[in-house]
Amino acid sequence: EPEVTQTPSHQVTQMGQEVILRCVPISNHLYFYWYRQILGQKVEFLVSFYNNEISEKSEIFDDQFSVERPDGSNFTLKIRSTKLEDSAMYFCASNKDRTSNQPQHFGDGTRLSIL
Amino acid sequence: QQQVKQSPQSLIVQKGGISIINCAYENTAFDYFPWYQQFPGKGPALLIAIRPDVSEKKEGRFTISFNKSAKQFSLHIMDSQPGDSATYFCAAVHGSGNTGKLIFGQGTTLQVKP
Repeated sequence: EPEVTQTPSHQVTQMGQEVILRCVPISNHLYFYWYRQILGQKVEFLVSFYNNEISEKSEIFDDQFSVERPDGSNFTLKIRSTKLEDSAMYFCASNKDRTSNQPQHFGDGTRLSIL
Repeated sequence: QQQVKQSPQSLIVQKGGISIINCAYENTAFDYFPWYQQFPGKGPALLIAIRPDVSEKKEGRFTISFNKSAKQFSLHIMDSQPGDSATYFCAAVHGSGNTGKLIFGQGTTLQVKP
């Protein structure tokens, strides 16, 4: 079964540094998402992406965050200047169709630790 | 309006018992309600989902009960097994015209004792 893959599995970064989290969505999927899960808390929506542009973003997704689909397979999340509170699990998800009857498939996440 | 409230936060059930997790929502624009199962170190995986025009959906040992008028839905795990021990999230999705983002509940950590 095709799956969403994320790299790296764990990223340790100094506060203030830039970090790029990478995702390879399922190949025939058109909608892409990033979610965040702070330890012990719920999964929170960050951003959705379709047709090479952001379709929706949450309040969490401020100017320090950006997303890109640099080629036909990768989908990246960049945090320009990391803060301690950015420490979390970041999950990428993809969907064939944004309508409600198509499930989102999640990767296993990147654990981001900011020191 | 955007929230999905989930309870209990944690649940301990004996093997063979029934696990019940409840969720409630406010926004009537939600029209798809999936449940995700998450094991430690893994991403959420879709378990079962329901649309509000159906009151119940069953897949194997997993059943969703949906009460549209009360804006509540619940997951029932019959004959719970130790392998079911995981965190369960209910979620909701807006109807068509939206981006398909998932609004998650707070999660329930289920432990099934052998």
